[in-house]
Amino acid sequence: GQNIDQPTEMTATEGAIVQINCTYQTSGFNGLFWYQQHAGEAPTFLSYNVLDGLEEKGRFSSFLSRSKGYSYLLLKELQMKDSASYLCAVMDSNYQLIWGAGTKLIIKP
Amino acid sequence: IAGITQAPTSQILAAGRRMTLRCTQDMRHNAMYWYRQDLGLGLRLIHYSNTAGTTGKGEVPDGYSVSRANTDDFPLTLASAVPSQTSVYFCASSRQGMDEQFFGPGTRLTVL
Repeated sequence: GQNIDQPTEMTATEGAIVQINCTYQTSGFNGLFWYQQHAGEAPTFLSYNVLDGLEEKGRFSSFLSRSKGYSYLLLKELQMKDSASYLCAVMDSNYQLIWGAGTKLIIKP
Repeated sequence: IAGITQAPTSQILAAGRRMTLRCTQDMRHNAMYWYRQDLGLGLRLIHYSNTAGTTGKGEVPDGYSVSRANTDDFPLTLASAVPSQTSVYFCASSRQGMDEQFFGPGTRLTVL
């Protein structure tokens, strides 16, 4: 079956760095997406990786290793507004997104 | 309108009733999707449409139907609602099936 695993909840301090991991087992791979979802709101796109390596976008970076079925989202210089759930999703061989349950990130001052 | 809109924002429905959730996008995206989001679970795909006039079944299609008469609109119908369909429903669209998806604000549905 298809499976996306990510931690349920993480806590970090304002100004610090946090890494949210995602492992996956899917039928085919056509890219991995990270989305941010604030409580009560819709998911919004953060990043996309289809090749191995690191993609940097401001304070956020995303890494992919296809051979290990592994990705992480790195958030630097954490701000209180970064408190949200972070969703990992893999596009399978049918170009459908398979979603993880999300990681709730709590930022403490 | 800008982006993707959904209606209603929330709804309480008696079991057995028929309900249509509306979704409209003005980005001229080819692909559209309906997901449900339940606590502790990832988003689950109900139905999708890669282009106007075509639809497909996702992971959890039972009890739901969709139509795609034009590019902009993608309504989701619950023919006879059951309590297990209580959820938050998100509509999304993408330029093509392989592109990033943009989400509507969601509809919170409670079936009693």
